[in-house]
Amino acid sequence: DTGVSQDPRHKITKRGQNVTFRCDPISEHNRLYWYRQTLGQGPEFLTYFQNEAQLEKSRLLSDRFSAERPKGSFSTLEIQRTEQGDSAMYLCASSSIAYQETQYFGPGTRLLVL
Amino acid sequence: SQQGEEDPQALSIQEGENATMNCSYKTSINNLQWYRQNSGRGLVHLILIRSNEREKHSGRLRVTLDTSKKSSSLLITASRAADTASYFCATAMDSSYKLIFGSGTRLLVRP
Repeated sequence: DTGVSQDPRHKITKRGQNVTFRCDPISEHNRLYWYRQTLGQGPEFLTYFQNEAQLEKSRLLSDRFSAERPKGSFSTLEIQRTEQGDSAMYLCASSSIAYQETQYFGPGTRLLVL
Repeated sequence: SQQGEEDPQALSIQEGENATMNCSYKTSINNLQWYRQNSGRGLVHLILIRSNEREKHSGRLRVTLDTSKKSSSLLITASRAADTASYFCATAMDSSYKLIFGSGTRLLVRP
């Protein structure tokens, strides 16, 4: 399967711990997006990359959040000093140069902060 | 913040019936898209309609867009139990193509 993959699929952590999620986009997709989805709501945009450059960050992305895409391929999203309010599904999506309007989503990482 | 509001929030129909979901949004857009999400999983792209289009079809799906009313509708014809999922509209407003999602419609198709 050559779709978007995310790891881990589930993460349970204690408040105050740091967590890191990984997203592998579809090969040769130059744009990569991160979204957060809480229960019963639609996803909310967090940030996106074009190749290795982070071009936009949402105000939802507090200082405790950092995202990287060092070689323009996979991306990581780190949350430092997690809080219970960070519990959510974190979704990654990618799109191609040729057809940037359509994003392909990964299965998500579900985070539970105790 | 959510760009769109979807109506209804939940819909229950019998297999074989048609399902209609509506989406309203607030600002001018480049395109509007519909996604499906099965329980606790990632989103699947269904259909995209650009701001200069009024109607599109894809299989059993029909999407309309009314930019003057800032609204869209998704019609699923001859529904199947496998169509049970949450459906989200999402709008893209600029060259980033970041998506702003509505709150979703939860569709239950009873066999």
